[in-house]
Amino acid sequence: SQTIHQWPATLVQPVGSPLSLECTVEGTSNPNLYWYRQAAGRGLQLLFYSVGIGQISSEVPQNLSASRPQDRQFILSSKKLLLSDSGFYLCAWRDKQGLNTIYFGEGSWLTVV
Amino acid sequence: AQSVTQLGSHVSVSEGALVLLRCNYSSSVPPYLFWYVQYPNQGLQLLLKYTTGATLVKGINGFEAEFKKSETSFHLTKPSAHMSDAAEYFCAVIRSGGYQKVTFGTGTKLQVIP
Repeated sequence: SQTIHQWPATLVQPVGSPLSLECTVEGTSNPNLYWYRQAAGRGLQLLFYSVGIGQISSEVPQNLSASRPQDRQFILSSKKLLLSDSGFYLCAWRDKQGLNTIYFGEGSWLTVV
Repeated sequence: AQSVTQLGSHVSVSEGALVLLRCNYSSSVPPYLFWYVQYPNQGLQLLLKYTTGATLVKGINGFEAEFKKSETSFHLTKPSAHMSDAAEYFCAVIRSGGYQKVTFGTGTKLQVIP
């Protein structure tokens, strides 16, 4: 069966520091991968999606970036965090064939102080 | 383009009462529709989905939803609320065919009153 994991689960970082959140998927190949952010009372915001290695699409302008160095690895990064980057970040995956269901990781809480 | 509207950011029901969470969508082609549940500090868990076939879909934890094309709705219901149902619920839509972006509603927080 397929599983998705992301880490770290919680992170407190000072303004201006770098960020790296990592997500891996097991049990599938060539999935679509997604990063969402969930800010309080604002629902889910799609940040990035990837249909393959090295292929990243950005949905909103921001100081975050994403990379997909391997088929089942998706990384969310920032060189310098802002206070407004605080939130709950969710990685997700979806099979290209058939099911259309999107599955989520456990989430990562980022607090920028 | 596709969109999802969830009416009511907060819904309160008494334990044992009917749960009704509303979701309306817009899509230029037949959609696939989903409901997810999120418990505090956790990721989203799939409750149920509609792709094709029977329009009344049953999911986990006693929830069900009915796809009504004429009303462009996919409301989530449960006959009797339980305290453990307190969570945030998200409706989502994917267009059928091609690469499909997933569009989520803004979520509805369900409070269950003892």
